[in-house]
Amino acid sequence: NAGVTQTPKFQVLKTGQSMTLQCAQDMNHNSMYWYRQDPGMGLRLIYYSASEGTTDKGEVPNGYNVSRLNKREFSLRLESAAPSQTSVYFCASSLQGNTEAFFGQGTRLTVV
Amino acid sequence: EDQVTQSPEALRLQEGESSSLNCSYTVSGLRGLFWYRQDPGKGPEFLFTLYSAGEEKEKERLKATLTKKESFLHITAPKPEDSATYLCARPNAGGTSYGKLTFGQGTILTVHP
Repeated sequence: NAGVTQTPKFQVLKTGQSMTLQCAQDMNHNSMYWYRQDPGMGLRLIYYSASEGTTDKGEVPNGYNVSRLNKREFSLRLESAAPSQTSVYFCASSLQGNTEAFFGQGTRLTVV
Repeated sequence: EDQVTQSPEALRLQEGESSSLNCSYTVSGLRGLFWYRQDPGKGPEFLFTLYSAGEEKEKERLKATLTKKESFLHITAPKPEDSATYLCARPNAGGTSYGKLTFGQGTILTVHP
């Protein structure tokens, strides 16, 4: 039972490059999330998808776009990476919006 | 909007020395409260869900309790392997914020042998 799977685990980008972080869950969950975690800032919500076909901005959405491809997959895209986007990114899923979320192992992204 | 505050920021214990971590929030109302454990380099691992004031959940040396305005994570006779960051989170209230989780900053627990 894989749970929430994120790819890649590590990535180094140059300023201005673009990339897509992939996330898939096999728990038949409706809601999916993208968080970033920075030292001293805790976990901050970037985007949220309550169900397939819907997305909503979180606390720090600027510079990011998301796609809820289907019920299983929720991707995060950086169109033009900036050093301020250096962070650890976590994808999570929950059965519905007010239930516990389960997290992937994270993607450590460095923008130089 | 709800704010979630955890205290202390860091806690150092000797093996076997019991203690408690606190999670408080500004908007009362029982929408659930979640506890997580996070090890370095890993994603948060779900521990407990609490929904009702007075509710308690236990897992090994950990016990979580809930009131209307705060939750406690009690650690009884901790071992070095309990060292981790412990996070609490609450779902936001209704409207456009419904379902989004707000996390506390976490408590870094270190248990010395």
